[in-house]
Amino acid sequence: EVQLVESGGGLVKPGESLRLSCVASGFTFSNAWMSWVRQAPGKGLEWVGRIKSKTDGETRDFAAPVKGRFTISRDDSQNTLYLQMNSLKIEDTAVYYCTKNKGYGIDVWGQGTTVTVSS
Amino acid sequence: EIVLTQSPGTLSLSPGERATLSCRASQSISSSYLAWYQQKLGQAPRLLIYGASSRATGIPDRFSGSGSGTDFTLTISRLEPEDFAVYYCQEYGISLGYTFGQGTKLEIK
Repeated sequence: EVQLVESGGGLVKPGESLRLSCVASGFTFSNAWMSWVRQAPGKGLEWVGRIKSKTDGETRDFAAPVKGRFTISRDDSQNTLYLQMNSLKIEDTAVYYCTKNKGYGIDVWGQGTTVTVSS
Repeated sequence: EIVLTQSPGTLSLSPGERATLSCRASQSISSSYLAWYQQKLGQAPRLLIYGASSRATGIPDRFSGSGSGTDFTLTISRLEPEDFAVYYCQEYGISLGYTFGQGTKLEIK
């Protein structure tokens, strides 16, 4: 079964950091392009950033609101994706989904992990 | 940056009826880059359609996608009770990742 399981969410204060993890199973993780997508409470979906496979250069791209504050990394030996979030803002409060990208769409989604930024 | 505008914001229909959801792009995009997702309350989204008109694995054939250029449509031919959810269109940008529309809520009338 193809599965993505996120962890690491929680309550933090503005300016603090948090690292999310996502463990993948059921597919060849090292070949996959992976993204993080978030959803603020009661709002729509927002792409956060992506990391390509090592074969494709492990290039990273980020959405404008998080560029320079967030970074994505992967450990193919552990089938794990990470999202390092620094200088967190209240507007970063959201459910964060780990996703597997296929072609021009997103074919697998994790169940999400909640990040709350509040003073 | 491409903006996707979905309409209507909310669509109220009864089971058995036909649903037509619209997604309009601020500039022309390749059909290959357009996808649709369904999200039920408290769940992660699910891929329905990719490449504007290809159904994802396991998606019933009552779901169909069409369109080109700036105008795309998701049609549900005959609504089942489990189809009432929020639907998002999404565009892929080579260096800009994914852009989502704001969503259409399909509710039971």
